[in-house]
Amino acid sequence: NAGVTQTPKFQVLKTGQSMTLQCAQDMNHEYMSWYRQDPGMGLRLIHYSVGAGITDQGEVPNGYNVSRSTTEDFPLRLLSAAPSQTSVYFCASNELGYRDEQFFGPGTRLTVL
Amino acid sequence: GNSVTQMEGPVTLSEEAFLTINCTYTATGYPSLFWYVQYPGEGLQLLLKATKADDKGSNKGFEATYRKETTSFHLEKGSVQVSDSAVYFCALKEGDAGNMLTFGGGTRLMVKP
Repeated sequence: NAGVTQTPKFQVLKTGQSMTLQCAQDMNHEYMSWYRQDPGMGLRLIHYSVGAGITDQGEVPNGYNVSRSTTEDFPLRLLSAAPSQTSVYFCASNELGYRDEQFFGPGTRLTVL
Repeated sequence: GNSVTQMEGPVTLSEEAFLTINCTYTATGYPSLFWYVQYPGEGLQLLLKATKADDKGSNKGFEATYRKETTSFHLEKGSVQVSDSAVYFCALKEGDAGNMLTFGGGTRLMVKP
């Protein structure tokens, strides 16, 4: 199993540009989620999905869109990038149970100029 | 809402020293508690977990006990190694929170030879 994969690893955008961060998992997990990591703030939940066709907002959803057309894929879209979105983005997946661990991808480091 | 508070770092220790990283939490119900570790340039990996009060999670010489009376989940290791240098995150998960994690701010550990 590849686990959770993310592309790209690094990205530089200009303010106002759009892009999609890709995330895929091959563990057949129902739950997938996106976090952003900022210094001193830990990881904060952006959006999550409890299954194909179902998404919901997390703690910091503004400026981001998601969709879940398949179990495997959960892309994160930035429609109009802003410098405040400079961060490291992590995708994660997990089973349904609340006792179960989340598996994280390697992260995407995004810089918005 | 849920929250997790960790001691601020960085924590700098000499090899073979004793490690404690404090973690306290606020939750509305009965969460599961986790410690994740992030090595430089990598994503997060589960280090250990505990799913109910008085449970002790352990892995790679690290331990943490779920203390409901003090709402704490402190991470300890008796003798740290240089290879333990990383950022450590305490997190909780409740069943009614979409099974998503709430993270503390992270504590950077640096171990010197």
